[in-house]
Amino acid sequence: AQSVTQLDSQVPVFEEAPVELRCNYSSSVSVYLFWYVQYPNQGLQLLLKYLSGSTLVESINGFEAEFNKSQTSFHLRKPSVHISDTAEYFCAVSDRGGGSYIPTFGRGTSLIVHP
Amino acid sequence: DAGITQSPRHKVTETGTPVTLRCHQTENHRYMYWYRQDPGHGLRLIHYSYGVKDTDKGEVSDGYSVSRSKTEDFLLTLESATSSQTSVYFCAISDWSSGSYEQYFGPGTRLTVT
Repeated sequence: AQSVTQLDSQVPVFEEAPVELRCNYSSSVSVYLFWYVQYPNQGLQLLLKYLSGSTLVESINGFEAEFNKSQTSFHLRKPSVHISDTAEYFCAVSDRGGGSYIPTFGRGTSLIVHP
Repeated sequence: DAGITQSPRHKVTETGTPVTLRCHQTENHRYMYWYRQDPGHGLRLIHYSYGVKDTDKGEVSDGYSVSRSKTEDFLLTLESATSSQTSVYFCAISDWSSGSYEQYFGPGTRLTVT
């Protein structure tokens, strides 16, 4: 079974600074990878995903993540954050093949953007 | 936004009482899930369903039961609520047949057991 590690429970950063939220997973089998964002008092919503093809994926609001198979990582980055990016971010992994509709979630990283 | 609602959105109940939370979807997705979210634990899967009347346990299923008699509804029941079940509960749906693979989440139900 997969395990997902989000190395930082909280990441404080100043507005307009770059940020990286780290995500590592345990198994090197073929996977689908996701980042979800949760704004206060809301449900999770998909930020971006890697299914196949280019290892660099982007979201519409400036986030990007790179799939690194050898390091089993899927770190999320943004070159310049805004106050509105303050939220909880969850990394999730699903194994391709049987049972892959049950993703494994990390414990989340709270991104706090200061003015 | 995916059509997924949860009811009630907030509930306060007493220890020992039964509680049922409802998840309703209008997307006709095959898979439905119940999670609980607690500080420091992230999301933990309680139960999931892969079709009408087809359900299975997740990692924290003790004290919970589920039912799915229609594609659109997935019910989570706490047979006898305990204070440790105070949490925020999220329903999610997914449709792997479309090739998208991601989950869509409801707005959550905040349950307090006193």
